[in-house]
Amino acid sequence: EPEVTQTPSHQVTQMGQEVILRCVPISNHLYFYWYRQILGQKVEFLVSFYNNEISEKSEIFDDQFSVERPDGSNFTLKIRSTKLEDSAMYFCASSGGRGSTDTQYFGPGTRLTVL
Amino acid sequence: AQSVTQLGSHVSVSEGALVLLRCNYSSSVPPYLFWYVQYPNQGLQLLLKYTTGATLVKGINGFEAEFKKSETSFHLTKPSAHMSDAAEYFCAVSDNSAGNQFYFGTGTSLTVIP
Repeated sequence: EPEVTQTPSHQVTQMGQEVILRCVPISNHLYFYWYRQILGQKVEFLVSFYNNEISEKSEIFDDQFSVERPDGSNFTLKIRSTKLEDSAMYFCASSGGRGSTDTQYFGPGTRLTVL
Repeated sequence: AQSVTQLGSHVSVSEGALVLLRCNYSSSVPPYLFWYVQYPNQGLQLLLKYTTGATLVKGINGFEAEFKKSETSFHLTKPSAHMSDAAEYFCAVSDNSAGNQFYFGTGTSLTVIP
């Protein structure tokens, strides 16, 4: 069964450094998402992406964040200058078609630790 | 705006007992509701979803949920717990925006006691 994959599974970085989290969505999906979960808190939406542009973003997704689909398979989340509060589990998701009934399929997550 | 409340961050049941995980939602539009399960070191896996139609929805692994509009609830149940059901469970509601944002609850950790 097709699945969303994410790399790395765990990333440790120093405050102020740039990180890139990578995701490979399900191959025929058109919509891509990033969520994060700070330890002990709820899963929070960051951004959705369709047709090579951002569809929607939350207040969390400020100028320090960017997303890109550099090729036909990868979907990346970049944090330009990490802060301690960016430490969280980051989930990538993808969905096939348009509309709110479409199920989002999630990857296993990348645990980001900012020191 | 949409939001989800999951009552009980931790639930323990005996093997073979009924599982009941509670989810209440708030939505300004007809909601689309989802339950996801997360096993240790794995991603979120869809258990079931409600969009329209029959309010009792059956999912994988013997789970089901009933959409009750009058109670704004979407509680997850399973008649008989199995050890393999131990995991984190998340309820989510989808808004109808073009961005298809999901709003998650804080999750409920299910422990199954042998």
